Amino acid sequence: DAKTTQPTSMDCAEGRAANLPCNHSTISGNEYVYWYRQIHSQGPQYIIHGLKNNETNEMASLIITEDRKSSTLILPHATLRDTAVYYCIVRVRGTGGATNKLIFGTGTLLAVQP
Amino acid sequence: GAGVSQSPSNKVTEKGKDVELRCDPISGHTALYWYRQSLGQGLEFLIYFQGNSAPDKSGLPSDRFSAERTGGSVSTLTIQRTQQEDSAVYLCASSWVTGMEWNGYTFGSGTRLTVV
Repeated sequence: DAKTTQPTSMDCAEGRAANLPCNHSTISGNEYVYWYRQIHSQGPQYIIHGLKNNETNEMASLIITEDRKSSTLILPHATLRDTAVYYCIVRVRGTGGATNKLIFGTGTLLAVQP
Repeated sequence: GAGVSQSPSNKVTEKGKDVELRCDPISGHTALYWYRQSLGQGLEFLIYFQGNSAPDKSGLPSDRFSAERTGGSVSTLTIQRTQQEDSAVYLCASSWVTGMEWNGYTFGSGTRLTVV
């Protein structure tokens, strides 16, 4: 199963772009990269996912390198409410085929500063 | 309902007692997952249900933990003879799976279990 590596914590100034890196050097060709975030005392929230191409939605952009060994989640204009733990996850295969089970690491604590 | 519903939101129990935690997934979602999160820790996978397939129980920490999903909808996680180390937030998630496309899952707000 592909593993991910993220910095433990990051700071970002309010209104600036937050760029959260993730390394997944052992990712397989058919494995997706997912990003979730968890705001204090809440369940994790889906942000975005991608396979090869860069992706953008109303919350964020996902930039995946051409070799797929790393990716960056971009929050274009961070607000105080974006303070959370951000998880980068590679979808794994469990028993019995594709079980879509996500294994969460420790994530990056993003602190948005006023 | 519109989201994943878990009950109770908080549960305090005495060591050695059994507890049941309930999860109502989003209507139509075929897959259901249980995770737990100890204080200050990441999410730990427990068990996964997909349709009528045998559940993936690979994350259950001991035989005191069990889960079932009735009628392909509601799920109950049961912890027997609770121990203090079982204290955690238990999170349920559900997802809709079709072929190889899968957009991740939606989590509930969790049940905070405290064993005293």
